[in-house]
Amino acid sequence: DSGVTQTPKHLITATGQRVTLRCSPRSGDLSVYWYQQSLDQGLQFLIQYYNGEERAKGNILERFSAQQFPDLHSELNLSSLELGDSALYFCASSLFSSGANVLTFGAGSRLTVL
Amino acid sequence: AQKITQTQPGMFVQEKEAVTLDCTYDTSDQSYGLFWYKQPSSGEMIFLIYQGSYDEQNATEGRYSLNFQKARKSANLVISASQLGDSAMYFCAMSPIKAAGNKLTFGGGTRVLVKP
Repeated sequence: DSGVTQTPKHLITATGQRVTLRCSPRSGDLSVYWYQQSLDQGLQFLIQYYNGEERAKGNILERFSAQQFPDLHSELNLSSLELGDSALYFCASSLFSSGANVLTFGAGSRLTVL
Repeated sequence: AQKITQTQPGMFVQEKEAVTLDCTYDTSDQSYGLFWYKQPSSGEMIFLIYQGSYDEQNATEGRYSLNFQKARKSANLVISASQLGDSAMYFCAMSPIKAAGNKLTFGGGTRVLVKP
């Protein structure tokens, strides 16, 4: 157990729907990251939050949004889902917001869009 | 922009032998960190080893060592005495040290299968 908790582990939904993925970081970590892993795109960085504020943004679609709450857990919202959004979504956490920190990953949330 | 290239999509290794996984990178940053992660079939990402761009000595962590050649921009992972549990996908990644945020850029991965 890495200490990073992601729910749900698996999610199956239909095109056009909206889902929310939840992440609780490892105890003491202030930074949360979201990554998408798909067969064609590999591991792609989506977004990073540090202590509630957005810190870095990657290839995140406009249909996707995220936030980090005061208790440091984070949610990734995916809307108007398309077949191509099917992927494994990872949350990771670290203590610091910058520098080359080791990220601790959760087990991932596997999203299937039918 | 940063780019990580892993040219070996897959490889077999005999149990108890050593294996080298190739990783080359491209970056305009002067200070950066290089990482290797392991992803078993169960899916989780497990941190293995870290090398800073200014570290003069190659990093080692148990059976893992990182062969860092800065001039060639390579950061190969060496796994010694392979075990059946080493069968997994291996990802090389990098992150700038001085940039705001901490965005890890990953390579495409190398799948390793350890044969008994």
